[in-house]
Amino acid sequence: VQLVESGGGLVQSGGSLRLSCVGSGFTFSNHYMSWVRQAPGKRLEWVANIKRDGSETYSVDSVKGRFTLSRDNAQNSVYLQMNSLRVEDTAIYYCAREVRSAIYSNYFMDVWGRGTTVIVSS
Amino acid sequence: EIVLTQSPATLSLSPGERATLSCRASERVSNKYLAWYQQRPGQPPRLLIYGASTRATDIPDRFSGSGSGTDFTLTITRLEPEDFAVYYCQQYDNALFTFGPGTKVDIK
Repeated sequence: VQLVESGGGLVQSGGSLRLSCVGSGFTFSNHYMSWVRQAPGKRLEWVANIKRDGSETYSVDSVKGRFTLSRDNAQNSVYLQMNSLRVEDTAIYYCAREVRSAIYSNYFMDVWGRGTTVIVSS
Repeated sequence: EIVLTQSPATLSLSPGERATLSCRASERVSNKYLAWYQQRPGQPPRLLIYGASTRATDIPDRFSGSGSGTDFTLTITRLEPEDFAVYYCQQYDNALFTFGPGTKVDIK
């Protein structure tokens, strides 16, 4: 079971990047998928997630209107399109598999990628 | 939005000692939605506990979670060298996840 992120890099403020996350070793379409970021030396911050079929996404207020989440279950992939990037978006971006237990209703993230680094310069 | 606070910010202990980490929520959190993660330097987070008290797969039994309502605790009974890391609590509410600021457990 593995998640691998890609697409990070250095971009100027106001620019765009598209992050990708490919899953393997599990049935990708059975899971919500999340993006979590961590600015240098800071806490983890949940950014957004997407339903199993891609029909709905949820996100924190700070990225609403700028970041768009999508997925392609045939490619076992989830994407984070980041527009109008700000210096404060600089972080490692992790892709994480969510577990939403139908029996116990526990919600948590049990598989994480190694992350991809986004640096936004002014 | 539910805010999580963790204490202490740093816990300095020796291997073999017991660690008690606290996570407090600004409003009641369902036990079902409270999880704990460990993050070692340069690594992604690792799930330790979900449902407030259920150990994740392959997590040693020296890790335990407890609590309810607004107060939750992660206990490590005997610290091993690999346990020196940062620990985060996480909750889910109203379609959003939030993390606490973390507790760093370092070597005394």
